[in-house]
Amino acid sequence: AQTVTQSQPEMSVQEAETVTLSCTYDTSESNYYLFWYKQPPSRQMILVIRQEAYKQQNATENRFSVNFQKAAKSFSLKISDSQLGDTAMYFCAFMNYNAGNMLTFGGGTRLMVKP
Amino acid sequence: DVKVTQSSRYLVKRTGEKVFLECVQDMDHENMFWYRQDPGLGLRLIYFSYDVKMKEKGDIPEGYSVSREKKERFSLILESASTNQTSMYLCASRYGLADTGELFFGEGSRLTVL
Repeated sequence: AQTVTQSQPEMSVQEAETVTLSCTYDTSESNYYLFWYKQPPSRQMILVIRQEAYKQQNATENRFSVNFQKAAKSFSLKISDSQLGDTAMYFCAFMNYNAGNMLTFGGGTRLMVKP
Repeated sequence: DVKVTQSSRYLVKRTGEKVFLECVQDMDHENMFWYRQDPGLGLRLIYFSYDVKMKEKGDIPEGYSVSREKKERFSLILESASTNQTSMYLCASRYGLADTGELFFGEGSRLTVL
């Protein structure tokens, strides 16, 4: 079974600064996807960014980028130029493409962006 | 835009009551999911459904059942609610098995069992 670990339960960052959220996972599979989801306060969870394991290039979506280290089984999320609207719970998730495409989620990191 | 709607945002129930949580999606998605969200534990899969009338147990199905009579609707049922089922419940959907993982979530139903 896969496990996903987010070691930082809570983090804070000043507006306009950069913050990195950590995620590690454990799997014996070689074909999988990794995700970061964002859950703003009292709003629905949305996909932030997705990474295919076979791609060496790190995914980027505007101010959000990942540092994918396959050998180390690490998948961190970097948020640049943090904005107040980035305040949310962030969940890292793993999907094994050959096992029914079920997602396994980490415990979450609560990020507070301070003005 | 995909819309996943959960019928109740907040519910308070008594121990032993039967609880229905309803979820409706408007994008003809084949797959639907029920997750439970608890602090520090992230999201844990209760049940999922690949298609109408099909259901599969997730990681924590005990104490829960589901129903999917129509493609757009997926219901979670607590036959006899217990205090340890106090939690946030999230419904999600996606196009199908071949989809590369993006789930569309509802806003959640926060259930308190007294």
